[in-house]
Amino acid sequence: TQLLEQSPQFLSIQEGENLTVYCNSSSVFSSLQWYRQEPGEGPVLLVTVVTGGEVKKLKRLTFQFGDARKDSSLHITAAQPGDTGLYLCAGAGPTDYKLSFGAGTTVTVRA
Amino acid sequence: DTGVSQNPRHKITKRGQNVTFRCDPISEHNRLYWYRQTLGQGPEFLTYFQNEAQLEKSRLLSDRFSAERPKGSFSTLEIQRTEQGDSAMYLCAVLDRENTEAFFGQGTRLTVV
Repeated sequence: TQLLEQSPQFLSIQEGENLTVYCNSSSVFSSLQWYRQEPGEGPVLLVTVVTGGEVKKLKRLTFQFGDARKDSSLHITAAQPGDTGLYLCAGAGPTDYKLSFGAGTTVTVRA
Repeated sequence: DTGVSQNPRHKITKRGQNVTFRCDPISEHNRLYWYRQTLGQGPEFLTYFQNEAQLEKSRLLSDRFSAERPKGSFSTLEIQRTEQGDSAMYLCAVLDRENTEAFFGQGTRLTVV
């Protein structure tokens, strides 16, 4: 059972379009991390958000952490084929730092 | 440097055989985690170590699974009498020095036939 719900499950868009991926939970996490994973590889950390209401930008990627620290979103502007991958959100426990992952959103950007 | 090396990258084994995976962090990290990921799912927590001490094991970790971290550096995960349901990607992760972010290895893909 995944504690974090991600939506949509799949997203296919044309190069140059924008997209948003959502991550929601009924639990509060001390921090939330976003990863991107390519087939046959381990997840690669994109960003960590810690403070409620926090917004972080990483080039064309914008990450938001909800005020109550239960939900988050990832927005990609002008998507490129290189953005294709599985995007995972994960909430961290306060002391053990054990991660609880969502099931992921598979993003496909068509050239 | 938070690099993590996992070996082997791929393992195909017959049902009933034992397999062992290894995780080698490039530098010293107090905490080391094992996760399992099946197709279409996010990784699920299996166990973690604080130095050489195994602090928690998930209910997913049946008696056929055992993990060790004998010197607080590398770790091994052994599965005895493998079953087809064990087929998955096994991921190792370490925390950075501030214990705030987790970095994953490339994983070991296990296929039980």
